[in-house]
Amino acid sequence: SQQGEEDPQALSIQEGENATMNCSYKTSINNLQWYRQNSGRGLVHLILIRSNEREKHSGRLRVTLDTSKKSSSLLITASRAADTASYFCARSGGSNYKLTFGKGTLLTVNP
Amino acid sequence: NAGVTQTPKFQVLKTGQSMTLQCAQDMNHEYMSWYRQDPGMGLRLIHYSVGAGITDQGEVPNGYNVSRSTTEDFPLRLLSAAPSQTSVYFCASTSTSGRGSEQFFGPGTRLTVL
Repeated sequence: SQQGEEDPQALSIQEGENATMNCSYKTSINNLQWYRQNSGRGLVHLILIRSNEREKHSGRLRVTLDTSKKSSSLLITASRAADTASYFCARSGGSNYKLTFGKGTLLTVNP
Repeated sequence: NAGVTQTPKFQVLKTGQSMTLQCAQDMNHEYMSWYRQDPGMGLRLIHYSVGAGITDQGEVPNGYNVSRSTTEDFPLRLLSAAPSQTSVYFCASTSTSGRGSEQFFGPGTRLTVL
């Protein structure tokens, strides 16, 4: 079963706006990762947050992790049309290497 | 570095045919894995390997075989293709030297089984 679930399933915003995507999971994690997938392409790693971390930044990306609520959020600030893609969260549990993916959020940024 | 490469990019099979999806990485990563992605779904783990000679099953292993004779290569075999195996297949690799790190994905193989 898929342990990571993203919300919303689809998000449409205007360029310059912020985009927030959420991820919930059911069991304990070692780390949680976010990936981006452009249409028809492979996944690209965006950011990793460990279970003992609460927030991480990378450029226009901000990830938070609340292990008590078993949830994470990905914020993309000042979005661009090039950010249009599907975004997936993936949790790493007992093994640091096996990842369990959610179904993803399809983000559309309109110019 | 080429990263993770997959061949072929596209493949059409008839029900019952067999084939091998190739995956190779040049980053000396110990961990490699195969996922399948179906419309509206995330990625589901088929098989994985933590090093040469070691493989294990993921979430959806039925109908697939793997082997890992070298660090670089991790082929996925479909023994008798079924329409339910129509999907996009991704191979990924990561280093096991740290405490968990990003996985590098190949470009995918789009498989259609008629």
